[in-house]
Amino acid sequence: QVQLVESGGGVVQPGGSLRLSCAASGITFSRLGVHWVRQAPGKGLEWVAFIRYDGNKKYYADSVKGRLTISRDNSKNTVFLQMNSLRGEDTAVYYCAKDHDRWDMDVWGKGTTVTVSS
Amino acid sequence: QSALTQPPSASGSPGQSVTISCTGTSGDVGAYNYVSWYQQYPGKAPKLMIYEVSQRPSGVPDRFSGSKSGSTASLTVSGLQAEDEADYYCSSCGGSNNLMFGGGTKLTVL
Repeated sequence: QVQLVESGGGVVQPGGSLRLSCAASGITFSRLGVHWVRQAPGKGLEWVAFIRYDGNKKYYADSVKGRLTISRDNSKNTVFLQMNSLRGEDTAVYYCAKDHDRWDMDVWGKGTTVTVSS
Repeated sequence: QSALTQPPSASGSPGQSVTISCTGTSGDVGAYNYVSWYQQYPGKAPKLMIYEVSQRPSGVPDRFSGSKSGSTASLTVSGLQAEDEADYYCSSCGGSNNLMFGGGTKLTVL
């Protein structure tokens, strides 16, 4: 059974950094495209970033370009989201999700919470 | 990257049908057949219900169906059941290798 598990969330001050991880099991990880999607408290879903199975294509939402970086280590079955220059509006539950076919997500983790606050 | 437009709420009685709309533009919903729908219960991760406008993943009841006309996609839930009460989000790829979600619709089963 395919499973994704996020970790690395926490409380960070504005301007700070955090690195989220998404560990996959039950599937050939090197064939997976992976998305990060976030959800601010009481708000809707917001797509953040996508990385292709080989790491050679990466796409970002305009709201995070230049501050958040997606990467992967296929030897560790893990995708990362490096978050720099964090702002209050980055406060959210961050989900990683497996790309199903084209721009849809069929397996989701349970999420990790990031709180940006002084 | 503007969000797609969904009605904030929808409702229906058990057994009835309800349709939720998702309006985009000619650059996203109208341009690509990569519209998806997700169901989300409070405090839980979203679940894929429909992909590529009208395709159902295995395990999703056929009471859920999707369609598209122009720049508006729709999710129809037939034979409403109490367990269908949840938030529903549409998504569509855009023209610049990005993805956008709708604002979400809270479906209430009366």
